[in-house]
Amino acid sequence: QKEVEQDPGPLSVPEGAIVSLNCTYSNSAFQYFMWYRQYSRKGPELLMYTYSSGNKEDGRFTAQVDKSSKYISLFIRDSQPSDSATYLCAMTNRQFYFGTGTSLTVIP
Amino acid sequence: GAVVSQHPSWVICKSGTSVKIECRSLDFQATTMFWYRQFPKQSLMLMATSNEGSKATYEQGVEKDKFLINHASLTLSTLTVTSAHPEDSSFYICSASSGGDEKLFFGSGTQLSVL
Repeated sequence: QKEVEQDPGPLSVPEGAIVSLNCTYSNSAFQYFMWYRQYSRKGPELLMYTYSSGNKEDGRFTAQVDKSSKYISLFIRDSQPSDSATYLCAMTNRQFYFGTGTSLTVIP
Repeated sequence: GAVVSQHPSWVICKSGTSVKIECRSLDFQATTMFWYRQFPKQSLMLMATSNEGSKATYEQGVEKDKFLINHASLTLSTLTVTSAHPEDSSFYICSASSGGDEKLFFGSGTQLSVL
């Protein structure tokens, strides 16, 4: 079993839709959880960073961590074409583990 | 957020030559830096972990004599692809950890094309 599982998509939504991206993990020792956005031929950009369980909101983005279910989510409200990218989840217990990334396209 | 600068952003070289890629943490000290390789539409593949002042730890299957990593200071790590061949053509990305808060920041990546 992989440490981190993420549906690769692709996911295609109309502009203005709410997007839900998810990852599951197997290691209960993970304490720090991150979401990255990666545009084509660019390095990943840190979007959201959460320590332990709970929610964190930043503008149109909300990150949720449910440690009891070993499940993390990223919600994007009022999605825009500029949100079209690959989204990677990541988590760490001193060693970093990444999901495979979900490709998102927001259609104008 | 913290800034990690990676240069060059792209490089084209002839087969058999060596290429050096630099990764700098601009506004924080990075005791640990990581090097990844990424193929089109695929996820990041960790190549090696680089700690300042010590030898890099390479992932299984990564040739340490081909991919030389030097982490001479707390703000600079370099990856040298030695005797590059066309199969080494790929997108290489570095990242740096800011330490205690376990945040990881990435460089902008380097597209290497070996002719």
